[in-house]
Amino acid sequence: QVQLQESGPGLVKPSETLSLTCTVSGASIYSYYWSWIRQSPGKGLDWIGYIYFNGSTNYNPSLKSRATISVDTSKKSFSLKLNSVTAADTAVYYCARVLITMIRGDPHPYAMDYWGQGTTVTVSS
Amino acid sequence: DIQMTQSPSTLSASVGDRITITCRVSQSVSTWLAWYQQKPGRAPQLLIFKSSTLQSGVPSRFSGSGSGTEFTLTISSLQPDDFATYYCQQYNSFSIFTFGPGTKVDVK
Repeated sequence: QVQLQESGPGLVKPSETLSLTCTVSGASIYSYYWSWIRQSPGKGLDWIGYIYFNGSTNYNPSLKSRATISVDTSKKSFSLKLNSVTAADTAVYYCARVLITMIRGDPHPYAMDYWGQGTTVTVSS
Repeated sequence: DIQMTQSPSTLSASVGDRITITCRVSQSVSTWLAWYQQKPGRAPQLLIFKSSTLQSGVPSRFSGSGSGTEFTLTISSLQPDDFATYYCQQYNSFSIFTFGPGTKVDVK
């Protein structure tokens, strides 16, 4: 059974760095992309970025390079760092497994089939 | 940037109703579109991917269609468990994911 579990501080001070980790069980970390998504209170879903096992990443341009996603295959986990946080970064943060299809030998991510339960991060002094 | 819209933003319906939600994308994404259901306090669940492929375990009353810039999610006979918010999500050639703003389906 595929399970994803987010972990990390629930409270971060403004201007500091938000750090979260997602631990994967029941699935190979090598066969999928892995993504972070967030949802501000009462709002819709906001894609942050994703990573492949080889470290290849892509990010939402709206985050203006504040986000960094990394992967640790030995620990079957991937992580998010978001720097210079403000109150606008207060949200529930989800990690998710991303389905891929091979197109001309390259993996193309297209949808997220397993999600963690989400972790609430509040930015406040 | 790719822009996404969903209509309606809120849909009031009754059990047994057939409902349709529309998702429009500002540029063609072929059939690279997915639909998710989210209930309050819960993570989203994938319903449909590649515009019309039903995710394993999802009831057959859900169906999706469309290509290019216009897509629809249909629930053929609304069940009590279907009252939720629905999001579309696209994947484009620039390797970016974007979610639509959501459609809340509530009790009429």
